[in-house]
Amino acid sequence: SSELTQDPAVSVALGQTVRITCQGDSLRNSYANWYQQKPGQAPLLVIYFKNNRPSGIPDRFSGSSSGNTASLTITGAQAEDEADYYCNSRDSSDNHLFGGGTKLTVL
Amino acid sequence: QVQLVQSGAEVKKPGASVKVSCKASGYIFTNYYMHWVRQAPGQGLEWMGIINPNGGITTYPQKFQGRVTLTKDTSTNTVYMELSSLRSEDTAMYYCARGGASHCLNWGQGTLVTVSS
Repeated sequence: SSELTQDPAVSVALGQTVRITCQGDSLRNSYANWYQQKPGQAPLLVIYFKNNRPSGIPDRFSGSSSGNTASLTITGAQAEDEADYYCNSRDSSDNHLFGGGTKLTVL
Repeated sequence: QVQLVQSGAEVKKPGASVKVSCKASGYIFTNYYMHWVRQAPGQGLEWMGIINPNGGITTYPQKFQGRVTLTKDTSTNTVYMELSSLRSEDTAMYYCARGGASHCLNWGQGTLVTVSS
């Protein structure tokens, strides 16, 4: 199916590691991108083409994938990482799909 | 630095059309695609289409085909998104985003479109 599925909410203790996952058939053939969105702001690209970070994105953000699942890992989560995270990929018809988003809470 | 500046908020009646602009600066306009993504209040992101400013080729998802039109003006480095036959469900923040064919590297500030009778 042309959908990307994410857990609605995830929490992590300050300084710990958290993984946010995204599942979908399109991920078997297309790299995942990850966007961070804080309240009232436009999204921000944090990972593209599975595990590339744009300039200015801290190296505590990393991406990986296996089969139909892509993951965003934050190693040593900071308070400023609290946000919504969206995965994104292209399907076989070249449509761009977004996951429903995961709300990350840093405790 | 790269800047994408979008036009201001709009209020439209059902059945009307809206045209949102996105003026780019700080890079070579024709070297990057421009995506349009919208976000309904409290909801997730939804991709609306892409335009290649180098030639104007567009791609739209089936959901929006026939209702959304992306155009570009290379003389002013501006991309436009027009959405027709507006309904209340089209109330959303609309974003333009510069990037490659597969990802959105920089985003505009967003344009709120409200559809209400």
